[in-house]
Amino acid sequence: AQKITQTQPGMFVQEKEAVTLDCTYDTSDPSYGLFWYKQPSSGEMIFLIYQGSYDQQNATEGRYSLNFQKARKSANLVISASQLGDSAMYFCAMRPLQGAQKLVFGQGTRLTINP
Amino acid sequence: GAVVSQHPSWVICKSGTSVKIECRSLDFQATTMFWYRQFPKQSLMLMATSNEGSKATYEQGVEKDKFLINHASLTLSTLTVTSAHPEDSSFYICSARDPWGPQYFGAGTRLSVL
Repeated sequence: AQKITQTQPGMFVQEKEAVTLDCTYDTSDPSYGLFWYKQPSSGEMIFLIYQGSYDQQNATEGRYSLNFQKARKSANLVISASQLGDSAMYFCAMRPLQGAQKLVFGQGTRLTINP
Repeated sequence: GAVVSQHPSWVICKSGTSVKIECRSLDFQATTMFWYRQFPKQSLMLMATSNEGSKATYEQGVEKDKFLINHASLTLSTLTVTSAHPEDSSFYICSARDPWGPQYFGAGTRLSVL
């Protein structure tokens, strides 16, 4: 069984600061994908970044980067130079690359950027 | 632009009526789509996996007769909430998996049953 844990229910940071959102996972699948999604108050789930378990390098997408530490089973999201528009719920998710391929979500972290 | 379109975005209905929610993949063919339910301030809970041309696979505890899923084409899956009751009020989100990319989500449907 897969499990995703996000231990920070809420985070408050000042605008322009960098922020790290924690995510740890547990799985017995040999290969898997890790995802981060942003959910603003509108409810839409916005895909941010993806990391494959076989990838040697950490994924980056603009201001988003994923700090992937496979031995520690962690996949933290780093947002650089935070903006007011980054305020939202953030979900870490995982999916095995074989089999049923169901996406499992963590509990989420509510990020608030203060001006 | 959106790669997954979900309609309607908000629906209010009377108790006992049925509501259909549509989910379309716009940029790719999706043999598999997923339906999630989200309660306020909680994470997404997978309800069922919709398979094109075959029966949906429901998660444990989800009533298949209450939540009917049809995946008649490679770009369209529908979720019908039958005989809706106030406890069915929730935020429903569909998702489609791009075979060569990530899983994309629709904008969600807010269902309010009076």
